Amino acid sequence: GAGVSQSPSNKVTEKGKDVELRCDPISGHTALYWYRQSLGQGLEFLIYFQGNSAPDKSGLPSDRFSAERTGGSVSTLTIQRTQQEDSAVYLCASSSGGVGGANVLTFGAGSRLTVL
Amino acid sequence: AQKVTQAQTEISVVEKEDVTLDCVYETRDTTYYLFWYKQPPSGELVFLIRRNSFDEQNEISGRYSWNFQKSTSSFNFTITASQVVDSAVYFCALSGANTGANSKLTFGKGITLSVRP
Repeated sequence: GAGVSQSPSNKVTEKGKDVELRCDPISGHTALYWYRQSLGQGLEFLIYFQGNSAPDKSGLPSDRFSAERTGGSVSTLTIQRTQQEDSAVYLCASSSGGVGGANVLTFGAGSRLTVL
Repeated sequence: AQKVTQAQTEISVVEKEDVTLDCVYETRDTTYYLFWYKQPPSGELVFLIRRNSFDEQNEISGRYSWNFQKSTSSFNFTITASQVVDSAVYFCALSGANTGANSKLTFGKGITLSVRP
């Protein structure tokens, strides 16, 4: 597609429920990132996929968080047994470059998660 | 570890004023990249500029200009003659050049800029 697409745009859930957030990156982009944006906390790195390499999961805050990227395209971020502190905007980004930090990321509009 | 500090949290100016957004970074890498992103009220981050560590030339793009100074580890962003449409959250970010942990973008906490008519 023309941009990075994320769904749902808004999700309200009850504490303890599982949620899935979806990201559809720009076609042909090999790198995909998930970030979390909490109020006043900036953007926190969660996980990074690059091509067929093993993902960099170093930013996942707990084992309740996991992510997959199927077929090198669409990614799903899953949060199990949600807690109120999981409430945030979850941002997905993709880039076309190879490995390395020079890549310019294109971000989606985010999925706002509210845990009651 | 890499770190980006945006000490200003909120700035409010009147339209047509100039405003400078500060960014200070920390890294042990000799090669690295600095970025500015804009997040308007719609929420989607928009890329503004990328600068590599070997290029200290200041850059101007319309009303926007960037001042990169390695000696003070700063990469400040100035908006000249601000407009209401400049109202947004502005993020400074840093990444290392190579693969691994430092190749990811590390963001500052952002500066909320409000431009009043």
